[in-house]
Order: sequence, then C-alpha cells, then structure tokens
Amino acid sequence: NAGVTQTPKFRILKIGQSMTLQCTQDMNHNYMYWYRQDPGMGLKLIYYSVGAGITDKGEVPNGYNVSRSTTEDFPLRLELAAPSQTSVYFCASRKGQEWGEAFFGQGTRLTVV
Amino acid sequence: AQKVTQAQTEISVVEKEDVTLDCVYETRDTTYYLFWYKQPPSGELVFLIRRNSFDEQNEISGRYSWNFQKSTSSFNFTITASQVVDSAVYFCALSESNYGGATNKLIFGTGTLLAVQP
Repeated sequence: NAGVTQTPKFRILKIGQSMTLQCTQDMNHNYMYWYRQDPGMGLKLIYYSVGAGITDKGEVPNGYNVSRSTTEDFPLRLELAAPSQTSVYFCASRKGQEWGEAFFGQGTRLTVV
Repeated sequence: AQKVTQAQTEISVVEKEDVTLDCVYETRDTTYYLFWYKQPPSGELVFLIRRNSFDEQNEISGRYSWNFQKSTSSFNFTITASQVVDSAVYFCALSESNYGGATNKLIFGTGTLLAVQP
C-alpha cells in the first residue's frame, strides 16, 4: 500500500514554463486535495475534488488547474509559472463523507526562477 | 467562514518541560471536525488526532493530550515532558461537515514551530 504518491519531489522551473505535479493514491479515496505551503503561512487549499469528474476551487486557485479523470489521480497543472508559485505542494486524500484521517503525500518542492 | 488561528509562531522549551500549543477556530457550522498534524523537519505531515464537534471529552495519548472547549472555540494541544524528537511544526486544522453538499474543505492554521532543546 503506497498511500499518496507525489512526483516529482523537487523541480526548478523558469518563469513562463508549465508543468504538472502528479498525485496518485491507491486507497480508493473519493476526496483529494492540493495544498501549497509557504514559510510561516500554513497550508493553503488550492483545489479539491470529491470524486472523479468533480473539482472545485479552494482558497488560492489562481494560476493552477486540476482534473480528476480517475479516482486514483489528481494532477495539478501550472500553465505559466511565476515566482509567486515557489512553494512546497502537498497532495492529500481521504475516504468518504465523514472526515477521517487525511493522508498526505511527501510534498513537491517547486522553485520558479 | 472557517478560520483557524495559531497565535504562537514559535515556542522553545528545554527537554522535560511541558508545553501547550494553542488553537482557536471559527466556524458557523454546528458539525465540524478538528485535527492536529505534526510536520517534523523531514517535511511529511503526520496525523495526530481528530475530534468532532459533539465530543468535548479531553483525550490523552501517552505524553500528548488535547483540550477541546467549544465555549472558547479552542482545541489546545499539550505535550508533557517534552523530548527533542517532539521538535516540529504543529498544525491545527478545521473541517466543516458537508451534509447537504457543502465544501468539506480542510483549513489549516499557520502552524507553531516547537523547538525542544536538550
């Protein structure tokens, strides 16, 4: 059981480049989330999904896009990278409607230069 | 709107001291869940506890204890006889119920950095 897997672990992007952060979970969880963590700012919710085909914006969605074509995968897309998107990104998943334990991936450290 | 406030940015204690991390939350919902997560220097997020809004019993797990008080909208976390391995950032988080199809977001506080000195 791998849990929540994020790739890559580290990435450096140039301004204006695009990339996709991958997130996969093998626990058959319906709910998946993307957060960004900036120093001293806690975790901010970017996007979330309550099931395949359903996504919605969180607190800080600008500059990002997501899709949820399968239960397992919830990729996060950056179309035109900006320095303000330098952060650590965490993907999380949980099961069902009752909020149980959220499982987090190991994080992706992204630097935009 | 949901909000979680962790007013203590950093706390430094000496090993074996007790330490309490404060968490104050805001919500309009009557059904909600509160959580504590630990983020050690390695960076991963480790779940510690969940409490629902109907259960105000305090919880103790080894050296950890949690005090949930709805009257003050607080969910404080105490580490007894702290150890160097407790050094980490601790996050408090809030999730409202989504009965009826609401958002069910998980909102985090800004975290408290705990440094335990030997």
